[in-house]
Amino acid sequence: EAQVTQNPRYLITVTGKKLTVTCSQNMNHEYMSWYRQDPGLGLRQIYYSMNVEVTDKGDVPEGYKVSRKEKRNFPLILESPSPNQTSLYFCASSAYTGITEAFFGQGTRLTVV
Amino acid sequence: GDSVTQMEGPVTLSEEAFLTINCTYTATGYPSLFWYVQYPGEGLQLLLKATKADDKGSNKGFEATYRKETTSFHLEKGSVQVSDSAVYFCALSGSGANSKLTFGKGITLSVRP
Repeated sequence: EAQVTQNPRYLITVTGKKLTVTCSQNMNHEYMSWYRQDPGLGLRQIYYSMNVEVTDKGDVPEGYKVSRKEKRNFPLILESPSPNQTSLYFCASSAYTGITEAFFGQGTRLTVV
Repeated sequence: GDSVTQMEGPVTLSEEAFLTINCTYTATGYPSLFWYVQYPGEGLQLLLKATKADDKGSNKGFEATYRKETTSFHLEKGSVQVSDSAVYFCALSGSGANSKLTFGKGITLSVRP
């Protein structure tokens, strides 16, 4: 079954404690990205990756890091989380950009206290 | 830059009512247009898409027509069901090589029996 898997689904952490949200896809997709979803703001792109070892900033990259060492994995790293990073995060993948369908993970609800 | 504007929500309808959700966009070139749906507790999934002017996307009884002259991509369904209750996002993807999905803010639809 084609899917994007994120872990964990829920996470409560304290300010400043480094965390990683994992994302893996089994569709051999080139393009992967991270979004955050906030009430009244819709989805905003954090980072994206066109291929292995190729990553770039999206619209709201501050406070986040990513890496793409393998095609299937695209972890999101928060080196020093702050309360304003409390949000619902989605990983997505697609074969290419443009007209192709994006597949989304089930989301990670992060709370930073 | 690219942007998507959706009508304000939430929307509450009775079962079998007609649904219209408005979406307009601003983009250079010839974007592809999408509607994504997010059911409670899940990630987004593609509902329908249209890749050029006058194309009509359709799926599960939903339809939307790409209107370049009015820069719109309104979502319609003739008879909604309780199971259609979800959050609906209009999105576009630009025509460039590194084009990304730009989302509207989303609108929550609740259908009552």
